[in-house]
Amino acid sequence: NAGVTQTPKFQVLKTGQSMTLQCAQDMNHNSMYWYRQDPGMGLRLIYYSASEGTTDKGEVPNGYNVSRLNKREFSLRLESAAPSQTSVYFCASTPTATGASTDTQYFGPGTRLTVL
Amino acid sequence: GDSVTQMEGPVTLSEEAFLTINCTYTATGYPSLFWYVQYPGEGLQLLLKATKADDKGSNKGFEATYRKETTSFHLEKGSVQVSDSAVYFCALITNNAGNMLTFGGGTRLMVKP
Repeated sequence: NAGVTQTPKFQVLKTGQSMTLQCAQDMNHNSMYWYRQDPGMGLRLIYYSASEGTTDKGEVPNGYNVSRLNKREFSLRLESAAPSQTSVYFCASTPTATGASTDTQYFGPGTRLTVL
Repeated sequence: GDSVTQMEGPVTLSEEAFLTINCTYTATGYPSLFWYVQYPGEGLQLLLKATKADDKGSNKGFEATYRKETTSFHLEKGSVQVSDSAVYFCALITNNAGNMLTFGGGTRLMVKP
């Protein structure tokens, strides 16, 4: 079991460029999430997908789009990168479709993105 | 809305010292409370959790008790090791929040030999 995997590990973009961050899990989990981590602010939810075929906005969705490609994969796209999107991005997953309140979230290793 | 407040770090301790990291929360409904740990260069992993008032979560020598009267979930360990050096995040999720975990800002712990 690889758990939650993310690619790439590091990326440098210029303002206005686009890119897609990839996430996959092999635990047969239903719910998947994208967070960003900024110094002193903990993690903030960008988007989540409670089940295959559904996506919902989190706390900070502006400037991002997501695709739940299938049950395993959940990608995050930056259409026109801005310096304010410089951050560390984490993907996570949980077993149940409804995200029951006691669920443990399993995190990937993160993608460190710098936008110049 | 929901929020979590943690003590600011970094916290620097000598090996075998006692650790307390404070965490308080504000939430509607009845939250479940979590401590996640992030080791250098890695993603977050669950350290412990408590789902109702007066529950105690414990793991790897760490403990935290869900105190509804003080809205707190302080993390403690009796004797820290160098390998405990990491960033610790307090978090909550409520029945009303659906899938959204609310995190505190994180506390960096550095343990010196």
